[in-house]
Amino acid sequence: AQTVTQSQPEMSVQEAETVTLSCTYDTSENNYYLFWYKQPPSRQMILVIRQEAYKQQNATENRFSVNFQKAAKSFSLKISDSQLGDTAMYFCAFQDDKIIFGKGTRLHILP
Amino acid sequence: GAVVSQHPSWVICKSGTSVKIECRSLDFQATTMFWYRQFPKQSLMLMATSNEGSKATYEQGVEKDKFLINHASLTLSTLTVTSAHPEDSSFYICSARGAFRDNEQFFGPGTRLTVL
Repeated sequence: AQTVTQSQPEMSVQEAETVTLSCTYDTSENNYYLFWYKQPPSRQMILVIRQEAYKQQNATENRFSVNFQKAAKSFSLKISDSQLGDTAMYFCAFQDDKIIFGKGTRLHILP
Repeated sequence: GAVVSQHPSWVICKSGTSVKIECRSLDFQATTMFWYRQFPKQSLMLMATSNEGSKATYEQGVEKDKFLINHASLTLSTLTVTSAHPEDSSFYICSARGAFRDNEQFFGPGTRLTVL
């Protein structure tokens, strides 16, 4: 069975700094998708970034980028120039058919 | 992006009663819908997967007789919590998948259930 592990339950960083959230996963599949989702206090799930496993190039979306290491089964999220609005829970997720989530990292951006 | 709605957004019910939560895909046809449960300060746990016109597939440990899922049309799935008890109080989130590139899923805003 697939598993997703986020080893950082909570992190804090000053506004404008860069922060990296860690995620590892386990699967025997070769084709799959990886995601980072943001869940603000409203609890609406917001897709931050997606990575297809067959693509070697790391995905980027503006201030958000990933470091995808397929052999190591690692998928970290880097947030550059962090903003107060980035404060939220961040979930790493794996999908081959259905999406399963890690336990999440609560990120606080400090003014 | 595609929009998924849930109704109600918040419901309170008495112990022993049943409550129905609706999940609708507003601007696309959802061939598959997923139901998740999220306890406070925890992650989303997949409860079941439903395909339009078929019986739902439940995850291990989820009681199918307690959490009834119906996916009767390509735009609507319902989750009925039967004989609800306080331990069923939680945040229920649905997501929907259509004929999109890369099997993309879209999440509803969630329903907060409180059982007294």
